[in-house]
Formats: sequence, C-alpha cells, structure tokens
Amino acid sequence: RKEVEQDPGPFNVPEGATVAFNCTYSNSASQSFFWYRQDCRKEPKLLMSVYSSGNEDGRFTAQLNRASQYISLLIRDSKLSDSATYLCVVSGVNDYKLSFGAGTTVTVRA
Amino acid sequence: EADIYQTPRYLVIGTGKKITLECSQTMGHDKMYWYQQDPGMELHLIHYSYGVNSTEKGDLSSESTVSRIRTEHFPLTLESARPSHTSQYLCASSAGTGPNQPQHFGDGTRLSIL
Repeated sequence: RKEVEQDPGPFNVPEGATVAFNCTYSNSASQSFFWYRQDCRKEPKLLMSVYSSGNEDGRFTAQLNRASQYISLLIRDSKLSDSATYLCVVSGVNDYKLSFGAGTTVTVRA
Repeated sequence: EADIYQTPRYLVIGTGKKITLECSQTMGHDKMYWYQQDPGMELHLIHYSYGVNSTEKGDLSSESTVSRIRTEHFPLTLESARPSHTSQYLCASSAGTGPNQPQHFGDGTRLSIL
C-alpha cells in the first residue's frame, strides 16, 4: 500500500467553480501535512501547510481528518491559473522525510 | 522565495560519461534531498542528508552517489551514465528544527542519456 494515495483526476472545471479533492495517508503517526502545486515540467512549490484545525489561504482551504487519515483541499472561485497538479505531502515520524502522492490534476477551463 | 539552485538545467550526454549535478542553497538549511521524477509520475527520494558529512540512501534504489562537505552544497554524481538514468532530478532543502518544516525545491535538472 502506498504511503500517500490521491485520486489522479483530472478534474475539469469551469472558471469560477469550486473543486475539492482528498488524499489518504497510511501512517497514523504522521505529524506534518502539506499541499504542493506542480506545473507541467516544473518543480513542486509549497501551496500551504495543513494544520489540525484546518486552515485557509485566500481561495484555498485545507482540512485534516486524523481519525480517517485524510486531508483535503478545496479551491473556491477557480481561476485559469489554478490549472496544475496538486501534490499531497505527508511527513514520516521522527525523521522529517516527506512522502509525496502522485498528484491530482486540475484543469480550469474558460 | 526559496534560494536553492540547481545546475545544469538541462543535460544531454552520451552513455558511460561521469556526471555531477550541482545543488546549492543559501538558506543555511541542515536537511537536503534529491528526488527523481519521470514525466507524469510521482517523486521518489533517492538521497538525503541531515547535515555536513551525513548522507543516506532514500526509498528508491539509485546508482548515484552524493556528498555533503559543506552545508550549502549537495552534489549528486553518476559515475557512468546509462539511458535508464534519463529523468528529472530535483533537489530540495528544509530547515532542521521541529516538524512542519516544508521542503523547498530547486528548478530541477532534466537529464537525457543517449
């Protein structure tokens, strides 16, 4: 079983729509959670950290559900520039290595 | 914006050559990482370092080697390149203390072995 699993998508949504997707992780002792964004043929860039109480950054909202071992990302009022692959990233325990999901592709159309 | 630099950005080279991919960061981060990523696929950790003179193999077996003689520098070397080494190589670094430390990535090196 992979440490981090994501629905690969693609999620094709019109501009202005709301899109949400989850990822699940296998290690119940994981301490840190992140969402990264990766554009085609580019390096991953940190989108936001995910905190236990949930957090928001502009149009992006992240939630953590430790009991069910998943994290979610919601994008409101989608923009064309939100088209990318979103990587779910989870830390291990005590060693701070990160495990990356394979990514969820979002395509926002005009 | 993170200050982590990789050179070269692109390299096309013949089989059997020795290659060194450079990675430097100016943030004083203790932890540095090398990942390999094929197009459309997930990142795989191939090497990491927790500080000077510390190197460990990652989750994906790799024929490459790394060194960490200075905090800011974490080069990756392939002694004899083969076509199977064709991939994108991404270097990252993170601050050393506590959890919730994200990794910051360089622009990557696209390597093609003919």
